Amino acid sequence: QQQVKQSPQSLIVQKGGISIINCAYENTAFDYFPWYQQFPGKGPALLIAIRPDVSEKKEGRFTISFNKSAKQFSLHIMDSQPGDSATYYCAASRRGYQKVTFGIGTKLQVIP
Amino acid sequence: EAQVTQNPRYLITVTGKKLTVTCSQNMNHEYMSWYRQDPGLGLRQIYYSMNVEVTDKGDVPEGYKVSRKEKRNFPLILESPSPNQTSLYFCASSIQGLEAEAFFGQGTRLTVV
Repeated sequence: QQQVKQSPQSLIVQKGGISIINCAYENTAFDYFPWYQQFPGKGPALLIAIRPDVSEKKEGRFTISFNKSAKQFSLHIMDSQPGDSATYYCAASRRGYQKVTFGIGTKLQVIP
Repeated sequence: EAQVTQNPRYLITVTGKKLTVTCSQNMNHEYMSWYRQDPGLGLRQIYYSMNVEVTDKGDVPEGYKVSRKEKRNFPLILESPSPNQTSLYFCASSIQGLEAEAFFGQGTRLTVV
């Protein structure tokens, strides 16, 4: 049973467009939702994260939107650039615990 | 240079032959964790450790063991590897858990035949 469902699995966006990746979770005990970015041949890197006490968090061109009642959260990449081409993972964990569950990943390709 | 070092980078082994993948960090980080990455399944956490002698299971601990006898080292042990453990493995460390920036090793590509 996949506790964190991520879609789409692949995404192609034109340069300058908005990339949107969606995630949904089932365990209501989750209260920390990080996103990771992974370039080919590298380990994942923490990109941005949110807690359920806010509905949105923005860092530069990256924004997380969070809908607690729907148990959904999404990553928006504004003004997408070819350098954003990577695999993105959403994840979820519980406060005070260091166990993390990942989504399946989204391979983003930004074309010029 | 701050880094997480995994060894070996590549390993081909046979079913049932015990192996250890080493992970060492030089940043005095308390938190260390192991992940496996598989096509179509993404990343999954195997084990993590909050400090010396403190380890706990991630989502897919079956078939793996870990130990944390020293702060800098967190080896991953496969007592009896099977083909379904063929995967890309990453070790990571951070100063304090998931909410801090994690430093990842280069990855270990393991093939069990």
